[in-house]
Amino acid sequence: GQQLNQSPQSMFIQEGEDVSMNCTSSSIFNTWLWYKQDPGEGPVLLIALYKAGELTSNGRLTAQFGITRKDSFLNISASIPSDVGIYFCAGLAPPGNQFYFGTGTSLTVIP
Amino acid sequence: NAGVTQTPKFRILKIGQSMTLQCTQDMNHNYMYWYRQDPGMGLKLIYYSVGAGITDKGEVPNGYNVSRSTTEDFPLRLELAAPSQTSVYFCASSTAGWTGELFFGEGSRLTVL
Repeated sequence: GQQLNQSPQSMFIQEGEDVSMNCTSSSIFNTWLWYKQDPGEGPVLLIALYKAGELTSNGRLTAQFGITRKDSFLNISASIPSDVGIYFCAGLAPPGNQFYFGTGTSLTVIP
Repeated sequence: NAGVTQTPKFRILKIGQSMTLQCTQDMNHNYMYWYRQDPGMGLKLIYYSVGAGITDKGEVPNGYNVSRSTTEDFPLRLELAAPSQTSVYFCASSTAGWTGELFFGEGSRLTVL
């Protein structure tokens, strides 16, 4: 299957700091999605990106669809304790019927 | 709004037992998926379906079977449970096309002893 490399694997930050994480692939994707998963829950969609170069925000979250269509970035500004969780990227590759997932970035916010 | 509903949430099986994980969605989505998530890992696709009557293997299908008799339901069957199938299982659904967004159920935690 397609391999999505997500980094960093884990982050420990102070409350109020900004966070950046990224996802890269050896293949192109036509759609990039970013999810957050809380312990014991299913992943919840944060941001969806459909066009190369697209920059989309959702509150303190901003994500970008890389120009090469092989990468995507997620930034969280002014982190708060409830941002704690695991963040996953996911890509939808041709022929458009399978989503591939990164291995996740575990975020810990220290109050 | 119910979205994607999975049952059971927790189950313990003995080696060799069989069981079915149920999944239903009320969003009229054509595409449905089963993933498994092992500790510290991402999601691996087991099986998927692009519509009623159509199923296909994902990345890790061995030891599992699925059926899709209706748009709403996509059950996952484990025939002879093995310890390697201890995992958290997620069902998901999406609309077709490149603007499809994937919606997940809350997960089913399965332990095989």
